[in-house]
Amino acid sequence: GESVGLHLPTLSVQEGDNSIINCAYSNSASDYFIWYKQESGKGPQFIIDIRSNMDKRQGQRVTVLLNKTVKHLSLQIAATQPGDSAVYFCAENGLIYNQGGKLIFGQGTELSVKP
Amino acid sequence: NAGVTQTPKFQVLKTGQSMTLQCAQDMNHEYMSWYRQDPGMGLRLIHYSVGAGITDQGEVPNGYNVSRSTTEDFPLRLLSAAPSQTSVYFCASSYSGAMNTEAFFGQGTRLTVV
Repeated sequence: GESVGLHLPTLSVQEGDNSIINCAYSNSASDYFIWYKQESGKGPQFIIDIRSNMDKRQGQRVTVLLNKTVKHLSLQIAATQPGDSAVYFCAENGLIYNQGGKLIFGQGTELSVKP
Repeated sequence: NAGVTQTPKFQVLKTGQSMTLQCAQDMNHEYMSWYRQDPGMGLRLIHYSVGAGITDQGEVPNGYNVSRSTTEDFPLRLLSAAPSQTSVYFCASSYSGAMNTEAFFGQGTRLTVV
């Protein structure tokens, strides 16, 4: 079945280093992907998105890369800060459903930033 | 602009009790949805709605009912709570039913069923 999964459940980085969080997806029909950040006790917060007609998109300190050939998505955070510590989820819209899309979430990666 | 508002933030229920989790959005979004989040897992879709009067089941709909009488509100009802429904519940809304635009989430309702 379709799934969105993450390669690593936890990631620990030093403050100032770059972080890379990876995500694999299996639904080749998905045409929209999102990264969310979730801090403890809060709802998911939008970070960045990318459509399937792109392979790279940059935001403020964040970059998302999409490799449709191997169905892989990654989130790069430059100069990681303590405030970046959170759980990061990738999600895709499952367009196989006739009623429209549904966001399908991966398991999440917990990013821990060491001072 | 409040975004997506969920109430209550915390709730403890006894097995067999019923309750309604409230969700309201003020962004005039057509698409609304409910997710549950269990420890160490991603969000799983319970029910969703692509517009007023239209609802459909998600991945884990059993034990939950929804209705969508207005664009703004999308309540989630637990008719007979079970311990397996202990979870954190998130409501989300999005401009597009194709889910190709950002989804906005509420702050969540933490439900414990004893």
